[in-house]
Amino acid sequence: KQEVTQIPAALSVPEGENLVLNCSFTDSAIYNLQWFRQDPGKGLTSLLLIQSSQREQTSGRLNASLDKSSGRSTLYIAASQPGDSATYLCAVVEYGNKLVFGAGTILRVKS
Amino acid sequence: NAGVMQNPRHLVRRRGQEARLRCSPMKGHSHVYWYRQLPEEGLKFMVYLQKENIIDESGMPKERFSAEFPKEGPSILRIQQVVRGDSAAYFCASSREGGRQPQHFGDGTRLSIL
Repeated sequence: KQEVTQIPAALSVPEGENLVLNCSFTDSAIYNLQWFRQDPGKGLTSLLLIQSSQREQTSGRLNASLDKSSGRSTLYIAASQPGDSATYLCAVVEYGNKLVFGAGTILRVKS
Repeated sequence: NAGVMQNPRHLVRRRGQEARLRCSPMKGHSHVYWYRQLPEEGLKFMVYLQKENIIDESGMPKERFSAEFPKEGPSILRIQQVVRGDSAAYFCASSREGGRQPQHFGDGTRLSIL
């Protein structure tokens, strides 16, 4: 059974700092991995999707890497801003198309 | 392009009533997924549907819950005889195809049971 773990559970940083969120998964037989952002009381916003054959994806200040063989992904956020404060969720898609989510990292960027 | 539309945004029901949650996928998307987020818990898969077919319902409780995605109209998640433990946020996602395509999420329906 696939399990997804995210570390840390919560993170508080000053504005401008670069930071890394970690995600690990137990079964490497995945189609892809998606990083999402969830604001309180809101839905999920897709940030980056990495196919199983890819190593990384970039969008603006965000960079996500994938090491499928070791079951790890990282989300790198450069020059963090208060508007980046949210819960960040990592999810893998395995055979059958369903997303398996981690519990999330709650990020607070202080101004 | 309109995103995934869910309604209602908030739904209050008394124990024993029925709850119907609706989801209209993004234009051009024929795959729909329902997820549930219980208080203080992560998002869990419930069911995966394509038009007129249930592909995977392995995450659905065996009783009281059902889902459909008819040829015309939105996908419906139906909960009969609701109980307090059904209180949660229910999210719908859609994708153009399965597997390698990203899933796009709606804003969810927050169900509260009195």
